[in-house]
Amino acid sequence: DADVTQTPRNRITKTGKRIMLECSQTKGHDRMYWYRQDPGLGLRLIYYSFDVKDINKGEISDGYSVSRQAQAKFSLSLESAIPNQTALYFCATSDASAVTDTQYFGPGTRLTVL
Amino acid sequence: AQSVTQLGSHVSVSEGALVLLRCNYSSSVPPYLFWYVQYPNQGLQLLLKYTSAATLVKGINGFEAEFKKSETSFHLTKPSAHMRDAAEYFCAVSLPTTGGGNKLTFGTGTQLKVEL
Repeated sequence: DADVTQTPRNRITKTGKRIMLECSQTKGHDRMYWYRQDPGLGLRLIYYSFDVKDINKGEISDGYSVSRQAQAKFSLSLESAIPNQTALYFCATSDASAVTDTQYFGPGTRLTVL
Repeated sequence: AQSVTQLGSHVSVSEGALVLLRCNYSSSVPPYLFWYVQYPNQGLQLLLKYTSAATLVKGINGFEAEFKKSETSFHLTKPSAHMRDAAEYFCAVSLPTTGGGNKLTFGTGTQLKVEL
């Protein structure tokens, strides 16, 4: 969905490096999420934010941190990347006023940690 | 606790054949349920969602799913497969959090292959 953009789309880095993945949205949604996808494991929630001042850990937050710079921007950082953080990372957004809180996903960032 | 189980990590059908992708959930309260599709090198796209309004839900691209509370299932079907349906499909369950808003729990995905 072009309304949710992620940069970079692909990144190769080395163990121990700091890396930031960025997510921007033009949907006007309050809520934003970061997931990682691994083959055979589906998507797992890393962090989520229901508004600019709200940050919550998901099921696999260890080794990650996030920053909600504005309603439209939500960044994911790996302070010291390790090889098992190699994965496909997705950002998603949802509308707090919608009954079902349906999530809409960005195109993903493929991260490789060597 | 909530969880989602997708039976069959890989499903192969012939073009024109019925597509059936299975999803079972566990939830202590009535859930919202979703099916998403992921085409190669793309993000997840919403196919359809169950919001308790109707048990048979119609989605995009000819897909539909039926919510069966007695079986705790939300299987995805399509009467006639097309080559363009080849993708990975994810079932997800959404339940409210204590802080407001919902969280999604995803199944592990089913890769659909469509053969000539």
